[in-house]
Amino acid sequence: DAGVTQSPTHLIKTRGQQVTLRCSPKSGHDTVSWYQQALGQGPQFIFQYYEEEERQRGNFPDRFSGHQFPNYSSELNVNALLLGDSALYLCASSLGSGETQYFGPGTRLLVL
Amino acid sequence: GENVEQHPSTLSVQEGDSAVIKCTYSDSASNYFPWYKQELGKRPQLIIDIRSNVGEKKDQRIAVTLNKTAKHFSLHITETQPEDSAVYFCAPNTNAGKSTFGDGTTLTVKP
Repeated sequence: DAGVTQSPTHLIKTRGQQVTLRCSPKSGHDTVSWYQQALGQGPQFIFQYYEEEERQRGNFPDRFSGHQFPNYSSELNVNALLLGDSALYLCASSLGSGETQYFGPGTRLLVL
Repeated sequence: GENVEQHPSTLSVQEGDSAVIKCTYSDSASNYFPWYKQELGKRPQLIIDIRSNVGEKKDQRIAVTLNKTAKHFSLHITETQPEDSAVYFCAPNTNAGKSTFGDGTTLTVKP
């Protein structure tokens, strides 16, 4: 039974570029949430996807967008990258919202 | 939005002692209260959670207590071991699924 997986593990981009991060949920899970974790801070909720729709959103600009596919996997897209977008991006899956979440290993993004 | 505060921000104990971390939240709609452990360079891992209809839950050396009236819940670790050293996060959650993480507590257990 595979846990939550994310790709890529590391990524280096320059300011103004766009990036796409990918997440495959734990088997049997249908809900995917994305978080941004800056160094030394707690994860910050970006948004949650369920039934291919964004259900909840945190305090992030619309440069951050996402998508969920019929197989429940998800993508996080960030446009017009800023230096401040450098962080660990975590994906978490659950069976429904408000339920136990399991985190993936994260994608470490560095914006130069 | 939800305001979450964790105390203390750092905690140092001797091996074998107990450790307690408190989390205060503001959203009365919160009904799921997990604690995560995050070791350096790794993903957050759920260590214990509690729902709003329960006041206390225990799993071996780890326990969580909830006071819904006062809007706080606490993590209790007994007989601490060096491998308990990590950053601990609380993350109260509503039915709608929005988790708000605290700023974390760095626990150091000295051998």
